[in-house]
Amino acid sequence: DTAVSQTPKYLVTQMGNDKSIKCEQNLGHDTMYWYKQDSKKFLKIMFSYNNKELIINETVPNRFSPKSPDKAHLNLHINSLELGDSAVYFCASSHGTGQETQYFGPGTRLLVL
Amino acid sequence: GQQVMQIPQYQHVQEGEDFTTYCNSSTTLSNIQWYKQRPGGHPVFLIQLVKSGEVKKQKRLTFQFGEAKKNSSLHITATQTTDVGTYFCAASGGSGNTGKLIFGQGTTLQVKP
Repeated sequence: DTAVSQTPKYLVTQMGNDKSIKCEQNLGHDTMYWYKQDSKKFLKIMFSYNNKELIINETVPNRFSPKSPDKAHLNLHINSLELGDSAVYFCASSHGTGQETQYFGPGTRLLVL
Repeated sequence: GQQVMQIPQYQHVQEGEDFTTYCNSSTTLSNIQWYKQRPGGHPVFLIQLVKSGEVKKQKRLTFQFGEAKKNSSLHITATQTTDVGTYFCAASGGSGNTGKLIFGQGTTLQVKP
């Protein structure tokens, strides 16, 4: 059974398009995260939700909008995609916040052309 | 904001040689976690260190947390090709931290057979 799953795994799209990435965890965790990993492998947190409430909102363009319909799901919608948005996006979850071990999904590889 | 510096960025070793990656913070940390990301994969939790001066071992891997809780290291004895990947430290606590994990830049290990 996959603990943290993401769809799609790969996403190739044109500049200016809008796309969504979905994440689901079956670990019963309260907190979910979105990270962006660039070509140099740097992992940067973007957002975090705890029980459907936004608790971390880093300096991210407002073209990125997370949504958590319930504590097992966290989606990421991106408007007007730009070349610089090309990266791997990881969803993660943890039991609590901050200091807890995080479990990562397999990643979504986004390429904007 | 809080930063965690990790060095080196890359390390190439011959199979059988030892490898060490270092993680440093300018502020005292609550705890530090280590993750491994295989090529094309996602970060996977390895271990968490909480106590000052703590040392933990996992087979050929030795993890240390500094006495001042500002630095940590991961040492691999007699590397194998299965050790290939990027190793990240991730810290919580310290000034300016709002309950999130701050990841180091990662050390990418290549092992030549």
